[in-house]
Amino acid sequence: DVKVTQSSRYLVKRTGEKVFLECVQDMDHENMFWYRQDPGLGLRLIYFSYDVKMKEKGDIPEGYSVSREKKERFSLILESASTNQTSMYLCASLVGGGHQPQHFGDGTRLSIL
Amino acid sequence: GESVGLHLPTLSVQEGDNSIINCAYSNSASDYFIWYKQESGKGPQFIIDIRSNMDKRQGQRVTVLLNKTVKHLSLQIAATQPGDSAVYFCAESYAGANSKLTFGKGITLSVRP
Repeated sequence: DVKVTQSSRYLVKRTGEKVFLECVQDMDHENMFWYRQDPGLGLRLIYFSYDVKMKEKGDIPEGYSVSREKKERFSLILESASTNQTSMYLCASLVGGGHQPQHFGDGTRLSIL
Repeated sequence: GESVGLHLPTLSVQEGDNSIINCAYSNSASDYFIWYKQESGKGPQFIIDIRSNMDKRQGQRVTVLLNKTVKHLSLQIAATQPGDSAVYFCAESYAGANSKLTFGKGITLSVRP
């Protein structure tokens, strides 16, 4: 089974802090994704990566950046956290090529105070 | 477009009954569809997928139906169990989407004992 691990289940940070959310997958998947999930808004794509050092903006990239230095790890960075970035963050991975389901981690619930 | 609200639509069913969860999609170019289940405190879990060259696909206790004419997708769960209580999301993709998925807002399934 594919395992996608997000380093923290719950995280509390302060406004203006630089925040790192980490995601690791163990299936040598090419594609990795970061979403945020908010009540009534569903899952919205922040950034995705289809290879090491490659990244593309999703639908809501403002205020975020990402890093993919190794194939198994995809990091989401909040450059200067703001209260409107309080959310559930979900990481997913997917083997490359053709239509396949994305596999999700259990999420990081981030609160910005 | 869909209205934004804090509460997801809820489907309440009696344990043992069959459940039907519906999803409408808008992109006529979409050719791949997935259903996910999300339990409280967990990430979305893949249930079943279907490609546009099919109109029905069955899994264990679940069936997905695709009607491309009216852009409608449904998930049928046979003999619904308490463990089926969760939020269910449909998602769609198309050939040029770089494996990106577009998610629906989700529907809460509540199973009455």
